[in-house]
Amino acid sequence: ETGVTQTPRHLVMGMTNKKSLKCEQHLGHNAMYWYKQSAKKPLELMFVYSLEERVENNSVPSRFSPECPNSSHLFLHLHTLQPEDSALYLCASSQEYAGIGYEQYFGPGTRLTVT
Amino acid sequence: AQTVTQSQPEMSVQEAETVTLSCTYDTSESDYYLFWYKQPPSRQMILVIRQEAYKQQNATENRFSVNFQKAAKSFSLKISDSQLGDAAMYFCAYRGSNSGYALNFGKGTSLLVTP
Repeated sequence: ETGVTQTPRHLVMGMTNKKSLKCEQHLGHNAMYWYKQSAKKPLELMFVYSLEERVENNSVPSRFSPECPNSSHLFLHLHTLQPEDSALYLCASSQEYAGIGYEQYFGPGTRLTVT
Repeated sequence: AQTVTQSQPEMSVQEAETVTLSCTYDTSESDYYLFWYKQPPSRQMILVIRQEAYKQQNATENRFSVNFQKAAKSFSLKISDSQLGDAAMYFCAYRGSNSGYALNFGKGTSLLVTP
């Protein structure tokens, strides 16, 4: 595998379920990101990890819980979601967090549907 | 937060023709980067081109070039010799040193390429 991978690619879950999204980067990067992409809205940054430490949390509801066990893996744990949480969730990585010119490499996303 | 505006929800271009996608942004920072990302249908978002605010020369990558007007806070993308594979959502994004290092995205422009 190369680049940034995400699993699963599609997920349907009920409002009372608990599920997790997984992201893995094979680029040796130090920073990883979770974004939410909803129709007709700009991408929303949810969380940022730099060297396994969370450095940004953009007022995301507590029903979303990130985890970064090492610099290559990032998880997003989901529980008691709402229908408005249905969206494409994108993972990205970059060489460093603090370099504003660094390219972010995106995964293919997980299409989440909450029923 | 910095605002990125893409005023064209959809654009259409014929193969081999040239198209320009518009982007404006609002900032008071002097140190920042601007990016254009491409998201093909059901495929990963990839970087098309980037521009450092301090550089006056417009960035160019093969058929893709930008028109960076710093005073007007405008950052348009020109695609020359359009190809069918250029059909995608195009997102303009901003990243500044004083804005928490977040990538701020516009809502995107959907580009259709017709034979």
